[in-house]
Amino acid sequence: DTGVSQDPRHKITKRGQNVTFRCDPISEHNRLYWYRQTLGQGPEFLTYFQNEAQLEKSRLLSDRFSAERPKGSFSTLEIQRTEQGDSAMYLCASSPGTFFGLAGADSYNEQFFGPGTRLTVL
Amino acid sequence: DQQVKQNSPSLSVQEGRISILNCDYTNSMFDYFLWYKKYPAEGPTFLISISSIKDKNEDGRFTVFLNKSAKHLSLHIVPSQPGDSAVYFCAASGRTGANNLFFGTGTRLTVIP
Repeated sequence: DTGVSQDPRHKITKRGQNVTFRCDPISEHNRLYWYRQTLGQGPEFLTYFQNEAQLEKSRLLSDRFSAERPKGSFSTLEIQRTEQGDSAMYLCASSPGTFFGLAGADSYNEQFFGPGTRLTVL
Repeated sequence: DQQVKQNSPSLSVQEGRISILNCDYTNSMFDYFLWYKKYPAEGPTFLISISSIKDKNEDGRFTVFLNKSAKHLSLHIVPSQPGDSAVYFCAASGRTGANNLFFGTGTRLTVIP
């Protein structure tokens, strides 16, 4: 399977504990995104990487959240001192990159999503 | 501030008929729009997209229409099949560095056999 993979698929933790999630993107994709989805909502952008560089963070990404992509391949998302409000589905996506200027390039920002990690904080 | 809106949380359609899912957006800087389909316990799966220079894009049974002046897009599925039953998300992005996607809240489509 050459799609985006995420591990673990489910995580249950107690409030105050730290958790770490992993994402393996599609191998030739240089962009990697993290999103969070809560019940009844669409995915919300958290952060993205261009290769190993973290280039943008959403205001949703509090100081307790940190993401890395050390070698430009897999990425980790860590949440420290978890709170019940952190309970959500955490989605990772990857894309080949952006092709500005290609008029009619219908797939220039197609992002491929992994199955997600469902976090429950008790 | 919800920049992409899907005002119908659910839609039921008879098998073989047309399904029309609607989406509105507020940010005039958006220039690329996508539809994703999501089954329970899976991540969203890309379905079809359209850039702002077009008003229609077709892929098999799926057609997306874009009305820029109304800031409105729609997804048409013809004919609808039971396997199309899922949650459909509309998403948009602009020409920023991240090209992160802004999603609507989704519409649950049920195709009745």
